[in-house]
Amino acid sequence: GENVEQHPSTLSVQEGDSAVIKCTYSDSASNYFPWYKQELGKRPQLIIDIRSNVGEKKDQRIAVTLNKTAKHFSLHITETQPEDSAVYFCAATPGDYKLSFGAGTTVTVRA
Amino acid sequence: DGGITQSPKYLFRKEGQNVTLSCEQNLNHDAMYWYRQDPGQGLRLIYYSQIVNDFQKGDIAEGYSVSREKKESFPLTVTSAQKNPTAFYLCASSGGQGGGQPQHFGDGTRLSIL
Repeated sequence: GENVEQHPSTLSVQEGDSAVIKCTYSDSASNYFPWYKQELGKRPQLIIDIRSNVGEKKDQRIAVTLNKTAKHFSLHITETQPEDSAVYFCAATPGDYKLSFGAGTTVTVRA
Repeated sequence: DGGITQSPKYLFRKEGQNVTLSCEQNLNHDAMYWYRQDPGQGLRLIYYSQIVNDFQKGDIAEGYSVSREKKESFPLTVTSAQKNPTAFYLCASSGGQGGGQPQHFGDGTRLSIL
């Protein structure tokens, strides 16, 4: 099955700086890559996703890039704000119903 | 997501007891999922259902059971065979054709052992 590794496990950034989280996947058939944000004790919320026919996608301060050859994808958050502090999860699926998640990155934005 | 309701929010289980977690959705989604989340870890898939009256095991199905008698409902039973049930349980659903669709989550149920 699919195996997703996520780095780093924790990330501390100064408010206004950028944050980058990287994930690698093992199944070359994977074609859908969502990112979720989870605040403490809350549900994961989808913040952005990308499909394998696209190399990059942007939504305001958030962007995701995909490198199919290297089998890795990254989340970029620019101009970080205190409300960006949360745990972020990447995930991947080969298009079946089984979504494999990374272990998560705890992002702390320092004021 | 207001369209997925999980209950109860907190649940306590006595040793040897089966407990059932409820998940209801009004999004008209065909697919539903159950995940387990342990502290500091990602989400692990317990069971999923693509359509009514059909479901498949995920990566950690042992000690759990599900049913899908209605499109809107996908209850999860944590049986006494699950020796370490303490965790945060999340239900999700997705629409569209096939897999690889955005999954939307409920608020979760936190299960603890008495």
